[in-house]
Amino acid sequence: QVQLQESGPGLVKPSQTLSLTCTVSGGSISGGGYYWSWIRQPAGKGLEWIGRMYTSGTTNYNPSLKSRVTISIDTSKNQFSLKLSSVTAADTAVYFCARDMGIWFGGMFYYAMDVWGQGTTVTVSS
Amino acid sequence: DIQMTQSPSSLSASVGDRVTITCRASQSIGSSLNWYQQQPGKAPNLLIYAASSLQSGVPSRFSGSGSGTDFTLTISSLQPGDFATYYCQHSSSTHTFGQGTKLEI
Repeated sequence: QVQLQESGPGLVKPSQTLSLTCTVSGGSISGGGYYWSWIRQPAGKGLEWIGRMYTSGTTNYNPSLKSRVTISIDTSKNQFSLKLSSVTAADTAVYFCARDMGIWFGGMFYYAMDVWGQGTTVTVSS
Repeated sequence: DIQMTQSPSSLSASVGDRVTITCRASQSIGSSLNWYQQQPGKAPNLLIYAASSLQSGVPSRFSGSGSGTDFTLTISSLQPGDFATYYCQHSSSTHTFGQGTKLEI
């Protein structure tokens, strides 16, 4: 079955760019019907969706983060990536990647994140 | 932007209890509502999609209902592994999570 694994630096300095990669195994990232999402969770707090990308290049971003976020896909490596610029301590969190599955149900299309990586902790500190 | 509000924020219950968690959207979202369970230190797990459809492999004691602005997640008979935090999530071009409900013994 499809598995996701996040990787990247665990420590980023303030004002720098956070860069994470999610490697997809057990299936092709180019397989139709999926977006590929990033979500984060500060310690002891709730989930915040960051954004997602379809293999066609379509992206959707959280409006509160849009000016700082870039999500990209590398189909040759079966990976997708997150870049978050100008980070501050408020960006310290566990970052998850997830498959955003499209489901045709009851005459409509719905999306739900059905496969998740285990998460990686990123701390923003000098 | 659509806001998702869950209630209660925390809930104490016992094994065997029937539990209901509520999620309210700030405007109508049809059935574009998912529910996730998150155990401490783990990634969330999809329970319910499209408001009422049970994700494959999820026990039938979990059920979801509602449409428009008001949604519920019901666990018919709590099992020990069900004590966790539950999140609703509006799915659209921009996803939004509720703040979570912590289910405790």
